[in-house]
Amino acid sequence: SQTIHQWPATLVQPVGSPLSLECTVEGTSNPNLYWYRQAAGRGLQLLFYSVGIGQISSEVPQNLSASRPQDRQFILSSKKLLLSDSGFYLCAWSAGTVSYEQYFGPGTRLTVT
Amino acid sequence: AQTVTQSQPEMSVQEAETVTLSCTYDTSESNYYLFWYKQPPSRQMILVIRQEAYKQQNATENRFSVNFQKAAKSFSLKISDSQLGDTAMYFCAFMNTGFQKLVFGTGTRLLVSP
Repeated sequence: SQTIHQWPATLVQPVGSPLSLECTVEGTSNPNLYWYRQAAGRGLQLLFYSVGIGQISSEVPQNLSASRPQDRQFILSSKKLLLSDSGFYLCAWSAGTVSYEQYFGPGTRLTVT
Repeated sequence: AQTVTQSQPEMSVQEAETVTLSCTYDTSESNYYLFWYKQPPSRQMILVIRQEAYKQQNATENRFSVNFQKAAKSFSLKISDSQLGDTAMYFCAFMNTGFQKLVFGTGTRLLVSP
């Protein structure tokens, strides 16, 4: 069966520091991968999605970036965090053209101080 | 752009009762998918139920069922025989068939009490 992992689970970082959040998927190949952010008390907003290695599309311009160095690995990064980057970050995967359903990881709670 | 509206910020229900959560959406597309996700206190998003717009039959998953009204652009979730474990945030979401981007509503917080 497929599983999706995210780490770290929680992170507290000062303003201006770098960020790296990692997401990996097991049990499938060539998944579509997604990064969402959930601000406090709100729904999820799509940040990035990827349909293959090195293929990244951005939905919202911001100081975040994403990379997909391996088929089942998706990384969210920032060179300098802002206070507004605080939130709950969720990674999701889908089987691409095989299935449209998206399955989410456990998430990372990021607090920028 | 597609939008999803959930007009009930909070709802409460007693165990074993039935509750309906509302969702409306706006799109000019004719074919799309609709979803309900549950987010318990652990905050992991869990897929509850899905509906393809081209299907007239309402989807059902055990105690969860939807009332899909395509002309009215309405997609409500009915939870029967509510259980304490149903306490969570519930999000309605929309997806175009051509682009797998989920557009979420702002959620409804459901509290199930004994």
